[in-house]
Amino acid sequence: AQSVTQLDSQVPVFEEAPVELRCNYSSSVSVYLFWYVQYPNQGLQLLLKYLSGSTLVKGINGFEAEFNKSQTSFHLRKPSVHISDTAEYFCAVKENTGFQKLVFGTGTRLLVSP
Amino acid sequence: DAGVTQSPTHLIKTRGQQVTLRCSPKSGHDTVSWYQQALGQGPQFIFQYYEEEERQRGNFPDRFSGHQFPNYSSELNVNALLLGDSALYLCASSLAGVQDTQYFGPGTRLTVL
Repeated sequence: AQSVTQLDSQVPVFEEAPVELRCNYSSSVSVYLFWYVQYPNQGLQLLLKYLSGSTLVKGINGFEAEFNKSQTSFHLRKPSVHISDTAEYFCAVKENTGFQKLVFGTGTRLLVSP
Repeated sequence: DAGVTQSPTHLIKTRGQQVTLRCSPKSGHDTVSWYQQALGQGPQFIFQYYEEEERQRGNFPDRFSGHQFPNYSSELNVNALLLGDSALYLCASSLAGVQDTQYFGPGTRLTVL
């Protein structure tokens, strides 16, 4: 079984500052990793994903994440945040075989202030 | 290219009632998964449908059932509603395969009074 830990429930940051949202996972098999963003009263939007290949993946809205197998981490980063980045961010893991469910963390609320 | 659509947007029911939620997958997708997201929590997997069959199920009681139609759209049915069933219900669609990526709809907000 897989599990995801997002240690930071809330991350406050000032506009134009860099940010890192942490994600650690646990799994006995190989997995794929995802970050989704959820704006208030909306569904989930895919930010980026790691399936294979380069461990540094780039996504939408200037976000990127690095897969670290030895530390079982997939931290999300952005060099300069905007007010519009205020949202809930979810890290998710999926076993890399067919018909597998996404297992989500509890989410990190990013609060960007002027 | 239409994304994942869900209906209705909001729904209010009373305890003991039954509810049906609907989902149309993204064009070209053949697999539908359902998730329950309680307030302040991450989404929890309910079940997944492919070729009109339930392929995998999460830790939810039999009160939760589903169906997939030949056009790949899907329904989630919940019987004997409890207060604890109040949540945002998310549908995700994907193309079957090892590297399938799930794309989510806007969700249906269910309130049980």
